[in-house]
Amino acid sequence: AQRVTQPEKLLSVFKGAPVELKCNYSYSGSPELFWYVQYSRQRLQLLLRHISRESIKGFTADLNKGETSFHLKKPFAQEEDSAMYYCALRETSGSRLTFGEGTQLTVNP
Amino acid sequence: SQTIHQWPATLVQPVGSPLSLECTVEGTSNPNLYWYRQAAGRGLQLLFYSIGIDQISSEVPQNLSASRPQDRQFILSSKKLLLSDSGFYLCAWSVSGSGNTIYFGEGSWLTVV
Repeated sequence: AQRVTQPEKLLSVFKGAPVELKCNYSYSGSPELFWYVQYSRQRLQLLLRHISRESIKGFTADLNKGETSFHLKKPFAQEEDSAMYYCALRETSGSRLTFGEGTQLTVNP
Repeated sequence: SQTIHQWPATLVQPVGSPLSLECTVEGTSNPNLYWYRQAAGRGLQLLFYSIGIDQISSEVPQNLSASRPQDRQFILSSKKLLLSDSGFYLCAWSVSGSGNTIYFGEGSWLTVV
């Protein structure tokens, strides 16, 4: 069965510092990986997906199949990045998402 | 455009009482529908998903059930709530088929006392 692990429940950085939210997965096939974000008092929303290979709000994430990781990175964190971040996996040709436990990111001024 | 709504937003219920959380999707037909739960200190756990009316899969054994009385309506229920049912419940939808983005509702906070 697939599994997603986010080792850090809480992460705190200062504004302007680099930030990396870790995500590791276990899955025997070829997965799709996602990052979802939930800002305070807003609904959970898709931030980015690995197949798009895009940068959203300055965030990027690279799928590393060798290390089975999909870490989320941003070179210069902003206060508005403070939110709960979830890494998620979907099996190829599947429709269900398996989520990690989430990381609460706080960017301090 | 498509929208998803779920209600109520917050709910405080005594142990042993029934539960009904409702979710509706507008602007699409035959969506995949999902119920997720986030319990305190845990990640998002898929509870139920449905690919059509009368086609509901349960992911984990629990005190809850789901029904889909209409194509775009998904209801989460319990006959008798337990303290452990407290948590944040999220309804979600995606276009039918596989490989499509999943969109979430606003969420419902359930506290069982």
